[in-house]
Amino acid sequence: ETGVTQSPTHLIKTRGQQVTLRCSSQSGHNTVSWYQQALGQGPQFIFQYYREEENGRGNFPPRFSGLQFPNYSSELNVNALELDDSALYLCASSPSGAGNSPLHFGNGTRLTVT
Amino acid sequence: KNEVEQSPQNLTAQEGEFITINCSYSVGISALHWLQQHPGGGIVSLFMLSSGKKKHGRLIATINIQEKHSSLHITASHPRDSAVYICAGNSGGSNYKLTFGKGTLLTVNP
Repeated sequence: ETGVTQSPTHLIKTRGQQVTLRCSSQSGHNTVSWYQQALGQGPQFIFQYYREEENGRGNFPPRFSGLQFPNYSSELNVNALELDDSALYLCASSPSGAGNSPLHFGNGTRLTVT
Repeated sequence: KNEVEQSPQNLTAQEGEFITINCSYSVGISALHWLQQHPGGGIVSLFMLSSGKKKHGRLIATINIQEKHSSLHITASHPRDSAVYICAGNSGGSNYKLTFGKGTLLTVNP
């Protein structure tokens, strides 16, 4: 089975620009969660999608938005980038949206905003 | 103040030593995750537990819900165990809105 893959691995953007990060779920998984990890910190929950619907959101502004597609792959979009958005963005998939299964993480996308 | 606290922040051990990493949380949780993160960022889920104890190879995780405390133990540590270990609690919602600790950087020297 294929694991969780994220693209791109690294990205440099300028303040004010928009960015789209992508995540392909592990085969058979219908739930994707996105996390932001600033340098030296633990990850923070951004939001989760279950069967194409957002079913949980952390303390992030509306300029962080997402999509999940019928094949359960997902996108994270960030508008009006700020310097503090520089971080490692992780997605994780699971076979259940109920929060009671282990998560399978991708290797992350490292975003640098200059 | 983070609701999930880990200790120690940094840990250096010699190969073969028994390792313990602790995690305390101030909120009620339904499940606690132990994760391993290597340099470069990739995270591997080690355990998810809501009670008792789980074992996988040289790794053992325990949790005491009443005391809001969990521990990760590594027996016969090896340099390849060097990584950041993160605990994260799920506060019971039907999703993965986890609250993460800041991680423990473990270095195992040969």
